[in-house]
Amino acid sequence: GQQLNQSPQSMFIQEGEDVSMNCTSSSIFNTWLWYKQDPGEGPVLLIALYKAGELTSNGRLTAQFGITRKDSFLNISASIPSDVGIYFCAGRSLGANSKLTFGKGITLSVRP
Amino acid sequence: EADIYQTPRYLVIGTGKKITLECSQTMGHDKMYWYQQDPGMELHLIHYSYGVNSTEKGDLSSESTVSRIRTEHFPLTLESARPSHTSQYLCASSDPGRDLTEKLFFGSGTQLSVL
Repeated sequence: GQQLNQSPQSMFIQEGEDVSMNCTSSSIFNTWLWYKQDPGEGPVLLIALYKAGELTSNGRLTAQFGITRKDSFLNISASIPSDVGIYFCAGRSLGANSKLTFGKGITLSVRP
Repeated sequence: EADIYQTPRYLVIGTGKKITLECSQTMGHDKMYWYQQDPGMELHLIHYSYGVNSTEKGDLSSESTVSRIRTEHFPLTLESARPSHTSQYLCASSDPGRDLTEKLFFGSGTQLSVL
């Protein structure tokens, strides 16, 4: 089946630093979504991307839909302690009833 | 934004018990989903529904069952819980949006522990 690769599993950064995460696949996707999950909560949608090459921002977050349609990246600028959490990418291929495929997530830690 | 609620948030039960995890959404979404999540792993789809009286099994085999009698309600049932069922269960619903730009909204999850 389709798989999304997110690595490394964990990232540790200093408050104020920028961080970039990427998500890759061997399959083509037509939608990329980025979610953040806080401890004990469900994932919350951060950014949705629908076109190859699309670059979308949400506050300090910026995500891009790769030209090849096989990857996407998420950038967080000027990190703050509340950015701590697990960041999941998810992709959907063509088809009216195609379902989302999720990556394993990257756990982000921010040192004050 | 979708309002989607799961109860209970935490459940600790003994082996062999029957349990039902509740999920309700108030936005009138037709599509609803159940995912299973273990630490450090991706979300695995175990059940989904595209409307009332429609239920399908997901990519990950599960001994649980679901029902969809009302649009807003999508409960998940385990007839006889086992320690291997210990996991986080996440319910979601989706808003198709314009041009089929479907987005998935999640509940807070139920952390199930079977002793």
